[in-house]
Amino acid sequence: SAVISQKPSRDICQRGTSLTIQCQVDSQVTMMFWYRQQPGQSLTLIATANQGSEATYESGFVIDKFPISRPNLTFSTLTVSNMSPEDSSIYLCSVQRGISGANVLTFGAGSRLTVL
Amino acid sequence: DAKTTQPPSMDCAEGRAANLPCNHSTISGNEYVYWYRQIHSQGPQYIIHGLKNNETNEMASLIITEDRKSSTLILPHATLRDTAVYYCIAHNYGQNFVFGPGTRLSVLP
Repeated sequence: SAVISQKPSRDICQRGTSLTIQCQVDSQVTMMFWYRQQPGQSLTLIATANQGSEATYESGFVIDKFPISRPNLTFSTLTVSNMSPEDSSIYLCSVQRGISGANVLTFGAGSRLTVL
Repeated sequence: DAKTTQPPSMDCAEGRAANLPCNHSTISGNEYVYWYRQIHSQGPQYIIHGLKNNETNEMASLIITEDRKSSTLILPHATLRDTAVYYCIAHNYGQNFVFGPGTRLSVLP
């Protein structure tokens, strides 16, 4: 199965600043997914990142706030722009792989952001 | 994806079987049932999936009713390390995975 590394694992940021989260996969993948998990909540998909095209954002998430890069088939970044305390969350990167005719998600360990 | 319903929390004694139910009464014929779990401070981990037949792997067993409207995840001998939030997802190929609130399983010594 794919191994996913995320950096930073955690950070404390000041209001109004931006932070870029990196996601590195040990194999080439077509699609990478970025999720947000707010405190005490479940996961919410932010966007899907395909190499060579613009990311596809879910309802409620916009490119200006969460710009995503996908320069190659093993790497992606998510930037959280102009942060406010409401952006304090765990941000998770994931990829899909095929198992027994179905798609299965593999996740990184997540990046825990605290915005003061 | 079809909506799934799970109890918000469950307790299980260490060493006993943990049976986690999931209702997916509106599941379509092409949707698989997936189970993931999230141990505190970690990313979600895939456990098992199935379409119609019961499935078993090294982590768990998945029992799907004949009408496919519900399923049960079975951890045969729960340990303290199985304490986690368990997510049941009905998912169609090509769609995005939608995570509900899940079931918080506490394995008690």
